[in-house]
Amino acid sequence: QKEVEQNSGPLSVPEGAIASLNCTYSDRGSQSFFWYRQYSGKSPELIMFIYSNGDKEDGRFTAQLNKASQYVSLLIRDSQPSDSATYLCAVTSSASKIIFGSGTRLSIRP
Amino acid sequence: KAGVTQTPRYLIKTRGQQVTLSCSPISGHRSVSWYQQTPGQGLQFLFEYFSETQRNKGNFPGRFSGRQFSNSRSEMNVSTLELGDSALYLCASRGNSGRLETQYFGPGTRLLVL
Repeated sequence: QKEVEQNSGPLSVPEGAIASLNCTYSDRGSQSFFWYRQYSGKSPELIMFIYSNGDKEDGRFTAQLNKASQYVSLLIRDSQPSDSATYLCAVTSSASKIIFGSGTRLSIRP
Repeated sequence: KAGVTQTPRYLIKTRGQQVTLSCSPISGHRSVSWYQQTPGQGLQFLFEYFSETQRNKGNFPGRFSGRQFSNSRSEMNVSTLELGDSALYLCASRGNSGRLETQYFGPGTRLLVL
């Protein structure tokens, strides 16, 4: 079992709809959770981070964390073509190392 | 404020050679981390340096090494290159709070090993 798992996609979502990206992790001692966006040929950029159970909203983005289920998700409301990218979930392990998922490719169709 | 810079941006080497990559962090940042990104393995943490000391290390063989200078610039070295070392190597610098939400990635060095 991979330490951080994501569906590789591609996930195709119509413009204006909600895109839902999911991530599960195996280390129950994980404390910090991050979502990065990576455009093709570019480096990752941080878009959301969350430490506590529940929801955290920032503009069109909402991160959701459920530590009991070892599950973190990212919702993108009113999806735009510019949201088309690969989204990487990252988790800090109990050994203080950051572990990335393999990423989900998101495609927003006009 | 200038971002993280990496040189060179592209590199072609042959098996058995060695390579050195360079990273200059955001001004004032003392933490520099290195990552390897490949299509098969994704983004993997190599090591982190803080104030010239290696603070954390991922699960990579000893062929991968790094160092940090007093001006916080960092270099990563890979010796005895293998085909599987072909990857995008990313450097990231982090603010001095140490919090990962202050980490910014550089543009990367794309290494091709033939």
